[in-house]
Amino acid sequence: DSGVTQTPKHLITATGQRVTLRCSPRSGDLSVYWYQQSLDQGLQFLIQYYNGEERAKGNILERFSAQQFPDLHSELNLSSLELGDSALYFCASSPRDREGVKGEQYFGPGTRLTVT
Amino acid sequence: GENVEQHPSTLSVQEGDSAVIKCTYSDSASNYFPWYKQELGKRPQLIIDIRSNVGEKKDQRIAVTLNKTAKHFSLHITETQPEDSAVYFCAAPYSSASKIIFGSGTRLSIRP
Repeated sequence: DSGVTQTPKHLITATGQRVTLRCSPRSGDLSVYWYQQSLDQGLQFLIQYYNGEERAKGNILERFSAQQFPDLHSELNLSSLELGDSALYFCASSPRDREGVKGEQYFGPGTRLTVT
Repeated sequence: GENVEQHPSTLSVQEGDSAVIKCTYSDSASNYFPWYKQELGKRPQLIIDIRSNVGEKKDQRIAVTLNKTAKHFSLHITETQPEDSAVYFCAAPYSSASKIIFGSGTRLSIRP
């Protein structure tokens, strides 16, 4: 157990719908990262937050958005869902400081999203 | 650009033999290079990492080497065992953008 929690574990929804994925980082970690992993694919970096502020963006679609709340949990919102959005979504937290990556990322168990 | 190339994409080795996976990065400012192992349906987990101030690090059967001049780093697994079968990812940070970029992964299979 990495100490990072994600809910829900599984999500099945229809095209055009909107969903919210939730992540709670390890106690004390200020950084949260979101990744998308499609079937048999690598980890695509989506977005990173540090202590409530957006710090870096990857290839995140405009239909996707995220935020990190004062209690440091984060939510990833996916809207106007398409079949191609079906994937495993991971969040990770790290003991990163403001200047750069300090150490390993601890991954949550992931949320498997299926769009039908 | 921001890129981490990983080779090979698949690797099959006889149990007991060694496996080597290589990654190349492009940002000369990168200073931390982790390797993650992902078993089927599970989360990626860190197995070893190396910082830019050392050239090699070893942990039992696993070692990582770093060549900063050539901008590449490699994972070495010796005396492979069936439980080593998984997908392995390398990663490198891009400090100017505070991103972590992952390689495309290597699917390692250990033949009995």
